[in-house]
Amino acid sequence: QVQLVQSGAEVKKPGASVKVSCKASGYTFTNYHMHWVRQAPGQGLEWMGIINPSGGSTTYTKKFQGRVTMTRDTSTRTAYMELSSLRSEDTAVYYCARAGYGAKHYCDYWGQGTLVTVSS
Amino acid sequence: QSALTQPPSASGSPGQSVTISCTGTSSDVGAYKYVSWYQQHPGKAPKLMIYEVSERPSGVPDRFSGSKSGNTASLTVSGLQAEDEADYYCSSYAGSNNYVFGTGTKVTVL
Repeated sequence: QVQLVQSGAEVKKPGASVKVSCKASGYTFTNYHMHWVRQAPGQGLEWMGIINPSGGSTTYTKKFQGRVTMTRDTSTRTAYMELSSLRSEDTAVYYCARAGYGAKHYCDYWGQGTLVTVSS
Repeated sequence: QSALTQPPSASGSPGQSVTISCTGTSSDVGAYKYVSWYQQHPGKAPKLMIYEVSERPSGVPDRFSGSKSGNTASLTVSGLQAEDEADYYCSSYAGSNNYVFGTGTKVTVL
């Protein structure tokens, strides 16, 4: 069965960086794009970007361009999302979510989420 | 890219129907047949309920249905059940490999 298992909670200081991992199993990793979505406490979902694990190409939403880097390691079937220059407003649960096959315009499986807390 | 607009809340009694709207623009909802809907219970990851406007993934009850007219998409939950109480989010493709979520709607089963 498809599973996305994310890394554990992180506490970071303002200005630091965080790297969240998302290990995929139960399907061919390189056949499906991966979305990254975040949710601040008590707030809605916010789309951050998408990576094609096959070639590594990425698209980031304008808000995060310059601060976010999405990568993948096909040998370990793991996707990564790194966010730099952290500020308190980046405190959120970060999710990886597999895109639908072919037309990748939805998320059919989600990771359990990784809480990132930014605090001095 | 601005978030799609959803009503903050909606409610209905068990067995009734509730419809949630999702209003975007001619650059996202109005431009593509790529609207999806997600259900999220407190403390849980979102779950895909509808994709490509009206398609239901395997395992999602047929009480859930989706539609679209112009720049507004809708999710209807018929025959409301207690377990349908959750937050619901729409999402749309917005072109150039970009996506946008809605503001979210809290559904309460009275």
